[in-house]
Amino acid sequence: EADIYQTPRYLVIGTGKKITLECSQTMGHDKMYWYQQDPGMELHLIHYSYGVNSTEKGDLSSESTVSRIRTEHFPLTLESARPSHTSQYLCASSEYVGSTQYFGPGTRLTVL
Amino acid sequence: GESVGLHLPTLSVQEGDNSIINCAYSNSASDYFIWYKQESGKGPQFIIDIRSNMDKRQGQRVTVLLNKTVKHLSLQIAATQPGDSAVYFCAEGDRKNYGGSQGNLIFGKGTKLSVKP
Repeated sequence: EADIYQTPRYLVIGTGKKITLECSQTMGHDKMYWYQQDPGMELHLIHYSYGVNSTEKGDLSSESTVSRIRTEHFPLTLESARPSHTSQYLCASSEYVGSTQYFGPGTRLTVL
Repeated sequence: GESVGLHLPTLSVQEGDNSIINCAYSNSASDYFIWYKQESGKGPQFIIDIRSNMDKRQGQRVTVLLNKTVKHLSLQIAATQPGDSAVYFCAEGDRKNYGGSQGNLIFGKGTKLSVKP
């Protein structure tokens, strides 16, 4: 079982709200990632970080932002949630670039 | 049963049969390959991996085969059980790419495995 945690597991909010999805890992990994995944669909990389104070946008354009102030923590923020943001958000970490990524349980977000 | 993950996203097998899930990878430079299992409502879970200097690797009831000539990866599950029902993703990585974003894992689209009792 990987030591990577996400909170909340489920979130239902109204349009326009600001939200932060939390992700923490205790494996000491430098590399962390956020993916967006619709039910039964493929994974889309939206953000990644190779270390503290390093963040990059992924392959899929996203209106969310991330920060990496501590190695173990990689939160994702939506300043103004919209129904189009409804999806599952998965956080992952790895020891090296291109090596096995370990995933958290995900946050299922619904924006009304 | 056999399925090409990118073209036939659903594979249905009878309990006790062997399953074969296929994946075509894209990057000739990839040197590391992983299979993940994702159950409904959960994050992907690591199953087995293989390095490019190997053709075959076996785990508990699972075997991964790698054919670098045609850039093809397969996952074989022996004696498939209802608990194997999930979506299976292949992923490729380039561990030689020490810092570039091109080294990030590339995930396949996934194959949904349904096991009939």
